[in-house]
Amino acid sequence: AQTVTQSQPEMSVQEAETVTLSCTYDTSENNYYLFWYKQPPSRQMILVIRQEAYKQQNATENRFSVNFQKAAKSFSLKISDSQLGDTAMYFCAFMSFTTSGTYKYIFGTGTRLKVLA
Amino acid sequence: NAGVTQTPKFRVLKTGQSMTLLCAQDMNHEYMYWYRQDPGMGLRLIHYSVGEGTTAKGEVPDGYNVSRLKKQNFLLGLESAAPSQTSVYFCASSYALGLGTYEQYFGPGTRLTVT
Repeated sequence: AQTVTQSQPEMSVQEAETVTLSCTYDTSENNYYLFWYKQPPSRQMILVIRQEAYKQQNATENRFSVNFQKAAKSFSLKISDSQLGDTAMYFCAFMSFTTSGTYKYIFGTGTRLKVLA
Repeated sequence: NAGVTQTPKFRVLKTGQSMTLLCAQDMNHEYMYWYRQDPGMGLRLIHYSVGEGTTAKGEVPDGYNVSRLKKQNFLLGLESAAPSQTSVYFCASSYALGLGTYEQYFGPGTRLTVT
């Protein structure tokens, strides 16, 4: 069964610094997608960044980038130049589907990030 | 576009009472989901639907029922509420497989307390 593990329940970073959130997953499938979602204190969850497993190049979105290590089943999120608005809960998620119709979308337990002024 | 909306935002129930949570989306998404979020446990999938008239069980379906009579709506029902169902409930929607980016779009959540 697929699992998603976020081993850092809480983290903090100084404003303008860089922070990395870790995520590992377990799967026997070869084709899948990985995501980082952000849930600010207002609670509306939004997508931060996504990565297709078949792509070797790491995804980037402005100040957000990932380090995708397929062999190690690791998918970390790097936030550069941290801003106060980055304070949120961050969830790593795994999605896969097979030709037989099995569809999975699994979230990790989250990392609470606090950006300090 | 309103995106994904949830009704109500807050609710307090007594043990044994029933209620229905309504989720609506205006993005013409095929897939819809209901999750519950509890401290330290992340998001857990209750039920999901891959199209109008179809539903499927997720990770924690017991005590809940769902219906998808219209493409834009996904209802979550609690037949006999229990204190263990105290949680924040999130609805989400996404495009069908083969379309879009597989991103899920979330509603603002419903905070349910069962006493």
